[in-house]
Amino acid sequence: DVKVTQSSRYLVKRTGEKVFLECVQDMDHENMFWYRQDPGLGLRLIYFSYDVKMKEKGDIPEGYSVSREKKERFSLILESASTNQTSMYLCASSMGQGGSGNTIYFGEGSWLTVV
Amino acid sequence: KQEVTQIPAALSVPEGENLVLNCSFTDSAIYNLQWFRQDPGKGLTSLLLIQSSQREQTSGRLNASLDKSSGRSTLYIAASQPGDSATYLCAVRRGGTASKLTFGTGTRLQVTL
Repeated sequence: DVKVTQSSRYLVKRTGEKVFLECVQDMDHENMFWYRQDPGLGLRLIYFSYDVKMKEKGDIPEGYSVSREKKERFSLILESASTNQTSMYLCASSMGQGGSGNTIYFGEGSWLTVV
Repeated sequence: KQEVTQIPAALSVPEGENLVLNCSFTDSAIYNLQWFRQDPGKGLTSLLLIQSSQREQTSGRLNASLDKSSGRSTLYIAASQPGDSATYLCAVRRGGTASKLTFGTGTRLQVTL
């Protein structure tokens, strides 16, 4: 089974802190994604990566950055956390070109509260 | 810009009923469509993926259909059970493999005893 693991399920951080959310997948997937999910707004893509050291902005990249130094790990960074970044963050991965119809697999989510 | 709509937003049915969840999208130029289940406070679990060239996919009591030309997909759940209670989301991917998914806001299903 594909496993996407998010290191922290629940975090509480202060405004202005730098926050790291880590995600690891164990299926050698090329593509990795970070979404946030908010009531009434659904899932919105923050960033995605289709290869090591490659990244592309999603719909709402402002206030976030990402890092992909190894294929299995994709990190989301909040440089200076703000209260409007309180949300559930979901990491996902999928195979690259031609793989399994590109089914996308999600982690369990990380609940971030910024106070 | 692709928009994905799911109606109804919430649905309550008694155990044993067959039910249909709807998903519509505005741009028919999609690569595939995927249905997910999400339990409260948890991540998304993939249920079915339909490629743009396919008409339907089945897994157990679940059947998903796709009518690309009309911009619609349905998820049929047979003989519903209380354990089916969850939020169901559909997502469409446009052409290309690393391109992003556009999600609907989901249908919250409750199956009562």
